[in-house]
Amino acid sequence: NAGVTQTPKFQVLKTGQSMTLQCAQDMNHNSMYWYRQDPGMGLRLIYYSASEGTTDKGEVPNGYNVSRLNKREFSLRLESAAPSQTSVYFCASSERGLNYGYTFGSGTRLTVV
Amino acid sequence: AQSVTQLGSHVSVSEGALVLLRCNYSSSVPPYLFWYVQYPNQGLQLLLKYTSAATLVKGINGFEAEFKKSETSFHLTKPSAHMSDAAEYFCAVSQAGTALIFGKGTTLSVSS
Repeated sequence: NAGVTQTPKFQVLKTGQSMTLQCAQDMNHNSMYWYRQDPGMGLRLIYYSASEGTTDKGEVPNGYNVSRLNKREFSLRLESAAPSQTSVYFCASSERGLNYGYTFGSGTRLTVV
Repeated sequence: AQSVTQLGSHVSVSEGALVLLRCNYSSSVPPYLFWYVQYPNQGLQLLLKYTSAATLVKGINGFEAEFKKSETSFHLTKPSAHMSDAAEYFCAVSQAGTALIFGKGTTLSVSS
């Protein structure tokens, strides 16, 4: 099925470990996004890529890095995980730019102990 | 800076009753407005969007929302709630050239 695929679905890390969350879309969308969801906080934008070759910080970028590997793939890296990064992470993409409806992946549930 | 406020973190209705989920936005320029729904352990699905066309927007599953500039509101309604409507609902706003900013969400419970 066409859509946004995130891997892994679940992950437990120890404080200080690093990992990369993968995201791929097969809809030929130009723009891609990473959000984190925390109880009572809604979704907060971490980073986004308006088009291939560009990335920009969102509301909560500290502790994260991103790579827009190609038009399909947009990865999120935690260099040194902290318990405050325990969250559910969502990747999304949009066809016609920042102002149109986003298609979301099913999320990665990350726990940092 | 743009922002969105969802009034009421939790709304409970009976099956068949009117659903009203409130959203107010803050934007210095004409905004784009969206409602998304999230079922447990799933990603978000787009319910409907306002992009400066008709002020009354119809979405999926019988939901609709009305853009009221004078009240800076974009409330979500459904005439008759169904058990399957129980989920978390998010209002979101953006301006030209910016990514979506989400509200904190409203959990809708539907009782029989």
